[in-house]
Amino acid sequence: RKEVEQDPGPFNVPEGATVAFNCTYSNSASQSFFWYRQDCRKEPKLLMSVYSSGNEDGRFTAQLNRASQYISLLIRDSKLSDSATYLCVVIGVTGGGNKLTFGTGTQLKVEL
Amino acid sequence: DAGVTQSPTHLIKTRGQQVTLRCSPISGHKSVSWYQQVLGQGPQFIFQYYEKEERGRGNFPDRFSARQFPNYSSELNVNALLLGDSALYLCASTPGLLSSYEQYFGPGTRLTVT
Repeated sequence: RKEVEQDPGPFNVPEGATVAFNCTYSNSASQSFFWYRQDCRKEPKLLMSVYSSGNEDGRFTAQLNRASQYISLLIRDSKLSDSATYLCVVIGVTGGGNKLTFGTGTQLKVEL
Repeated sequence: DAGVTQSPTHLIKTRGQQVTLRCSPISGHKSVSWYQQVLGQGPQFIFQYYEKEERGRGNFPDRFSARQFPNYSSELNVNALLLGDSALYLCASTPGLLSSYEQYFGPGTRLTVT
């Protein structure tokens, strides 16, 4: 089993749709969780952190379920500019250092 | 303010050669991490350095090594290159070691091994 698993997609949705991505992780001791966005041939950039209490930033909502070991990202009212690959990131601490594990990414294509 | 910078942007090497990639973190950031991203995959963690010491290591062979300098810049070295080492190599910096810190990525070095 991979440490962090995501559905690679692609998710093709019409503009204005609501789309949800899930990400599961295997290490129950993981400490921090993030969603990053990566545009084609560009570097990843932080979209939002993920907390147990859930957090919302405009059209984006992230949730963490520690009991089931998954995180989710909900995008409402999708825009063409939301087309990108969404990477979930799980951070654990081992031997005094951080271990960052990225999922394979979920590709989103928003269409007219 | 300048972001994370990496050099070179592109590189072509042949099997068996050695390569050195360079990274300069955001001013004030003391930690640098290296990642390998193969096409169609998420970035894979290689190393994290903080205050010139290795503080995290991913599952990569000993052909991969890195170091961090007093000015917090970093180099990644890969020896005895294999075709499978062809990838985008990303560097990211953070202010310190807290796992809650955002990773700020550079544009990457695209390495092609022929």
